Amino acid sequence: AQTVTQSQPEMSVQEAETVTLSCTYDTSESDYYLFWYKQPPSRQMILVIRQEAYKQQNATENRFSVNFQKAAKSFSLKISDSQLGDAAMYFCAYTGYNFNKFYFGSGTKLNVKP
Amino acid sequence: DAGVIQSPRHEVTEMGQEVTLRCKPISGHDYLFWYRQTMMRGLELLIYFNNNVPIDDSGMPEDRFSAKMPNASFSTLKIQPSEPRDSAVYFCASATGIMAKNIQYFGAGTRLSVL
Repeated sequence: AQTVTQSQPEMSVQEAETVTLSCTYDTSESDYYLFWYKQPPSRQMILVIRQEAYKQQNATENRFSVNFQKAAKSFSLKISDSQLGDAAMYFCAYTGYNFNKFYFGSGTKLNVKP
Repeated sequence: DAGVIQSPRHEVTEMGQEVTLRCKPISGHDYLFWYRQTMMRGLELLIYFNNNVPIDDSGMPEDRFSAKMPNASFSTLKIQPSEPRDSAVYFCASATGIMAKNIQYFGAGTRLSVL
């Protein structure tokens, strides 16, 4: 069965510092997609970054980057130069290549200290 | 595009009443998802549609829950009768599948409180 695990329920980072959120997943598929979504207090789910499993290159979006380790089934999110607006719940998500599987992790609450 | 639109934003009802949540997906999207979010269980997929057809409803908790998608621009999630344990935030999301790289776009959610 496919599952997504986020082992850090809550983390804190100082403004302007770097923080890494962890995510591991379990799958028997070779092609799939991984995502990080951000959910601020407004509760709107916002896509942060996306990784295609068949691409070896790690995805990057401005201050957000991932460390995708396919063999280890690990997909961590690095936030550089943290800002107060980054404070939110972050969810790791998996979807199957044929869009037939959808799993979300339990989330990590990120606090950003001024 | 206005994004995925859900209504109402908040719903407060009494146990036993019927509740209907509504969703308008992004125009052109052929996948629609209903999720439920609670503190205890996190984000759960309830059901999803492809081209208005329900594909997987294994996440629907029980017969009190039903979902329909009569056309490509509208879907409903109905709970009848509602119970206090149904209190949660319900999200609708839409997507266009592989060509759009499987990105799901979420609505703002409906916070349901069953008293």
